[in-house]
Amino acid sequence: DTGVSQDPRHKITKRGQNVTFRCDPISEHNRLYWYRQTLGQGPEFLTYFQNEAQLEKSRLLSDRFSAERPKGSFSTLEIQRTEQGDSAMYLCASSLSVPEQYFGPGTRLTVT
Amino acid sequence: EDQVTQSPEALRLQEGESSSLNCSYTVSGLRGLFWYRQDPGKGPEFLFTLYSAGEEKEKERLKATLTKKESFLHITAPKPEDSATYLCAVHYNQGGKLIFGQGTELSVKP
Repeated sequence: DTGVSQDPRHKITKRGQNVTFRCDPISEHNRLYWYRQTLGQGPEFLTYFQNEAQLEKSRLLSDRFSAERPKGSFSTLEIQRTEQGDSAMYLCASSLSVPEQYFGPGTRLTVT
Repeated sequence: EDQVTQSPEALRLQEGESSSLNCSYTVSGLRGLFWYRQDPGKGPEFLFTLYSAGEEKEKERLKATLTKKESFLHITAPKPEDSATYLCAVHYNQGGKLIFGQGTELSVKP
């Protein structure tokens, strides 16, 4: 399978715990994006990398959120001190230098 | 404020009953409009990109069109397997982010 992969697919955590998600993009894609989607809504942009450089961050990305793409390949998204409002589907997408983005299956986070 | 609005929020069709989904946008400097299909619990699946007014793209029973203010996704003779949420998104700046609408949930009954 050469699509975007995400791990884990589901994560249940208690409020206050830290969680980390991983995204592996399509191998030749140099751009990687993170989005968050809540029930009944479209995805909302969080952040974007071109190679290893983080070029844009949304206001939604509070200080508790951090994303990295250390070698320009896979990326991680960490949420510290999780809150119930962080419960959502976290989606990763990748693209070449064109804006057509291909999404992974997502990580469903539930904060109890 | 840059905005993407889809209508209707939900659409129920009988198999074979053709219809259209609407996506209206208020962004300046549109660089591309995208349609995605999303099945429950899965990530969005790319369908089409439209770049300029008057452009049309087709795939099986789906046809997407674009004007200066809105896009339509026409579904001809739908089948139950076309049931999904259809998302519209726009790209308008130098960066990579897409702004999505809230989606239209399509249900096609046999």
